[in-house]
Amino acid sequence: ETGVTQTPRHLVMGMTNKKSLKCEQHLGHNAMYWYKQSAKKPLELMFVYNFKEQTENNSVPSRFSPECPNSSHLFLHLHTLQPEDSALYLCASSQGDGDNYGYTFGSGTRLTVV
Amino acid sequence: DQQVKQNSPSLSVQEGRISILNCDYTNSMFDYFLWYKKYPAEGPTFLISISSIKDKNEDGRFTVFLNKSAKHLSLHIVPSQPGDSAVYFCKGSGNTGKLIFGQGTTLQVKP
Repeated sequence: ETGVTQTPRHLVMGMTNKKSLKCEQHLGHNAMYWYKQSAKKPLELMFVYNFKEQTENNSVPSRFSPECPNSSHLFLHLHTLQPEDSALYLCASSQGDGDNYGYTFGSGTRLTVV
Repeated sequence: DQQVKQNSPSLSVQEGRISILNCDYTNSMFDYFLWYKKYPAEGPTFLISISSIKDKNEDGRFTVFLNKSAKHLSLHIVPSQPGDSAVYFCKGSGNTGKLIFGQGTTLQVKP
């Protein structure tokens, strides 16, 4: 365990389903991130939260909806996804939201959209 | 625009030899670079970093070299061990653009 816990580890959902991914960290970090890793593609930054405030949204489709109720928890709500959204979704946290801080990643949620 | 590129998708090295993983970048505003290591079914873990004011940083078997004029950095692993087999990502700092990680290089260290 790295200190960043993601649940579930695996998720299979239909295109009409609504599901949520959860990320939790108790490292005292202030910033949390959602990344997407598709096969043979670079890690793609999706959202950045710093002190519970969203500071970055990299043109992510509205079918992905993040929520950060506090500095320790981050959710990614999913609805009406497409098969091409199947990927590994990684949560990370860092002390600050500056890139000079190393990130601590969770193990990821392997999402399959059918 | 992919600002960080790892042009070699894979590398195979014999145990005990040196592994050299390369990374090129285009954004001259990057002021910090980090390497991450990722095992299957796990998230990436931070490995080593280097500030743009340095040209070398060493941590045990791992050394990162930075050539600012060539916008190139490399990670050297000496000696390579089978447990080093993983995917290695380089990351440029100072920009939160969408593609800030390289594509990754899969290293296989053969016993």
